[in-house]
Amino acid sequence: TQLLEQSPQFLSIQEGENLTVYCNSSSVFSSLQWYRQEPGEGPVLLVTVVTGGEVKKLKRLTFQFGDARKDSSLHITAAQPGDTGLYLCAGRISSGSARQLTFGSGTQLTVLP
Amino acid sequence: DAGVIQSPRHEVTEMGQEVTLRCKPISGHDYLFWYRQTMMRGLELLIYFNNNVPIDDSGMPEDRFSAKMPNASFSTLKIQPSEPRDSAVYFCASSFLSGRLTGELFFGEGSRLTVL
Repeated sequence: TQLLEQSPQFLSIQEGENLTVYCNSSSVFSSLQWYRQEPGEGPVLLVTVVTGGEVKKLKRLTFQFGDARKDSSLHITAAQPGDTGLYLCAGRISSGSARQLTFGSGTQLTVLP
Repeated sequence: DAGVIQSPRHEVTEMGQEVTLRCKPISGHDYLFWYRQTMMRGLELLIYFNNNVPIDDSGMPEDRFSAKMPNASFSTLKIQPSEPRDSAVYFCASSFLSGRLTGELFFGEGSRLTVL
């Protein structure tokens, strides 16, 4: 059983559309990160959120950390083919080792031109 | 500055053979992580080191897997004997985390292992 569940698992959309990816857990996280992974490469950090209710924006990407710090969402506005990739959320559990990151199952996004 | 360097990028071997994967972390980073990625199980933490000392190896699947970090600039993950179910992409990541509650993990490009 995945500690962090991501949905949807796969998403294929047209260029210009908006989308939201979700990351949910029954555990409370001290911090949560979002990574993007492209084929043949390792994941690359997009953002870190640490405060419940926190919202961070990175150009067309908006990240939100749930008030209870159990969930997070990633919203992309006007998606572009360059946004294609595997999006992974990763959390550090409050009661566990602060050094261990647990990764979600991932959302494979394809943006068609 | 060079990123995390892993070798080999690809390895194809036969069941029963020994496999050694190598990692050079980013200079100055004090934590090193080994992850395994498969379609079925996603990205799983196998083991991590702090200042070359193994801290948690509870993710290592079984005794066939072992990892070492003889110095701050080199780590190995060894599988002996290898089995087809070990086929996966193995990632090494490093980070500077001392005194911090969170930090960025820098991943290598991964080693794709296929065991026939």
